[in-house]
Amino acid sequence: SQTIHQWPATLVQPVGSPLSLECTVEGTSNPNLYWYRQAAGRGLQLLFYSIGIDQISSEVPQNLSASRPQDRQFILSSKKLLLSDSGFYLCAWSASYSNQPQHFGDGTRLSIL
Amino acid sequence: AQKITQTQPGMFVQEKEAVTLDCTYDTSDQSYGLFWYKQPSSGEMIFLIYQGSYDEQNATEGRYSLNFQKARKSANLVISASQLGDSAMYFCAMREGRRFYFGSGTKLNVKP
Repeated sequence: SQTIHQWPATLVQPVGSPLSLECTVEGTSNPNLYWYRQAAGRGLQLLFYSIGIDQISSEVPQNLSASRPQDRQFILSSKKLLLSDSGFYLCAWSASYSNQPQHFGDGTRLSIL
Repeated sequence: AQKITQTQPGMFVQEKEAVTLDCTYDTSDQSYGLFWYKQPSSGEMIFLIYQGSYDEQNATEGRYSLNFQKARKSANLVISASQLGDSAMYFCAMREGRRFYFGSGTKLNVKP
């Protein structure tokens, strides 16, 4: 069966520091991969999605970037974090075909000090 | 226009009673998928139920059922026999191709 791993679970970083969040999927090939951010008590904001290696679409202009160096690995990065980058980050995958659902990792709670 | 609309920010239900969470969607595609997710306070997004646009029967998964009314573009979630553990945020979502659209969520509180 397919599983998705996302780490770390929590992260506290100072303003201006770099960021790297990692997500990997097992048990499937060529998945669509997604990064979302969720502010407290709010809905999901799509940040990036990817349909293949090195194929990244950005939804919201910001100081974050994403990379997909391998088929089942998706990385969210920043060179310099802002206070506004605080939030709950969720990675998700879906099959590249049909109308099947997304499945989510457990999320990363990011606090910027 | 909003792709997914959830008009109930919060709802209360008595334990053991049934509850309906509303969801309407907007699409011009013929092929799409509709989903419900549960997000407890711990944060993980738990997939509950799926309805394909071509499915004629309403989807059911245990105590969850999806009341799919295609002409009205609605996909309401029905939870039967509510339990205290059902207290959470619930999100309705739609898939068009590779894109997913989420509603703003409904916070359900189950009272003992």
